[in-house]
Amino acid sequence: AQTVTQSQPEMSVQEAETVTLSCTYDTSENNYYLFWYKQPPSRQMILVIRQEAYKQQNATENRFSVNFQKAAKSFSLKISDSQLGDTAMYFCALGSGANSKLTFGKGITLSVRP
Amino acid sequence: NAGVTQTPKFQVLKTGQSMTLQCAQDMNHEYMSWYRQDPGMGLRLIHYSVGAGITDQGEVPNGYNVSRSTTEDFPLRLLSAAPSQTSVYFCASSYSGLPTYGYTFGSGTRLTVV
Repeated sequence: AQTVTQSQPEMSVQEAETVTLSCTYDTSENNYYLFWYKQPPSRQMILVIRQEAYKQQNATENRFSVNFQKAAKSFSLKISDSQLGDTAMYFCALGSGANSKLTFGKGITLSVRP
Repeated sequence: NAGVTQTPKFQVLKTGQSMTLQCAQDMNHEYMSWYRQDPGMGLRLIHYSVGAGITDQGEVPNGYNVSRSTTEDFPLRLLSAAPSQTSVYFCASSYSGLPTYGYTFGSGTRLTVV
């Protein structure tokens, strides 16, 4: 069985500052993918960034980057230059195995203060 | 290209009633799944399908049925609604096996059972 743990239920950050959201996971698979999804108040699930486990280089998408520590099974999301539109719930997710199932963490609510 | 379409967006049911949540995708994705989202619980997998005619149970399948007669459609049936099934339901799809590019999500259905 695979698990994803997001231990911080909520965080707050000042606009333009940097914030890091934590995630740890566990899986027995060697080939897997990690994701961060954003869920704004509109309820839509939006893919923010993904990381392939066999790639050592950390993924980056504009202001979003990850710190992937495979040995520690850690996958944190860094948001630089936080914007009001970043206010949302963020989910960490793990996908592995041939059946393509994604396992999600419980999510973290991020508030960006003006 | 509509992506993943879920209907209805909102629904109120009485205890004991049955209903079907509809999900359709036009991306020729083989893999489709249903999740429910509850406060503090993240997203939990109800049922999934790896192709037409093939379905399997996820983490919380009790009280729900699915079928996959076509690649495009993956309806979720509530047999006898209970207040514990009050939740937000998401349908998601992906191209194949390992979730290389993550899932594409529908916009969700908020279901209230009274």
